[in-house]
Amino acid sequence: NFLLTQPHSVSESPGKTVTISCTRSSGSIGSNYVQWFQQRPHSAPTTVIYEDNQRPSGVPDRFSGSIDRSSNSASLTISGLKTEDEADYYCQSYDDSSRVFGGGTKLTVL
Amino acid sequence: EVQLVESGGGLVKPGGSLRLSCAASGFTFSSHAMNWVRQAPGKGLEWVSSISSSGTYIYYTDSVKGRFTISRDYAKKSLYLQMNSLRAEDTAVYYCARDLNTGMIYLWGQGTLVTVSS
Repeated sequence: NFLLTQPHSVSESPGKTVTISCTRSSGSIGSNYVQWFQQRPHSAPTTVIYEDNQRPSGVPDRFSGSIDRSSNSASLTISGLKTEDEADYYCQSYDDSSRVFGGGTKLTVL
Repeated sequence: EVQLVESGGGLVKPGGSLRLSCAASGFTFSSHAMNWVRQAPGKGLEWVSSISSSGTYIYYTDSVKGRFTISRDYAKKSLYLQMNSLRAEDTAVYYCARDLNTGMIYLWGQGTLVTVSS
């Protein structure tokens, strides 16, 4: 198995852009797709990015995803930050026998 | 509407058992792998178990192997998690989650709370 490491927290001002990283400990980041989930307080997670960079219908295009093979990491970028974006964000990937989650990043929009 | 609805959570004593259910609707249940994911109070998401679309392949995280059993009923379009020998550290909200394609979690239920306490 492998681990996905995320920063514990990030903060940014409304209207700005923030990027959350997700680094894979072993194996190539490009070998399995990465998903990103948003979890607001006291709510279930929802998908904001799947297959590295695809947005489900209804997710604003302010949300984008990418992978960087050189750093073996995935990134979630949120532009034009709104206070409603304040939430926990989790990356997720998989191997042949398990699903793996990052530890989560708390985004504060202040 | 595409949705997953969990049920069966509650308060149970250490060493006890509980069976969680997840009712699926709005999509072809037999076409997707399914998962249980849990979240302990104040903690992050933790994958618990997966079952393939056919039911052939089943996987568990190490901490629940031998204690939890995942299963699915195609006629009822339901996913289950039988939890035995429960421990305090199993206390969490348990989410049912559907893959988009194998490995890629995509759709989440609202969760059901399991509390293991004497």
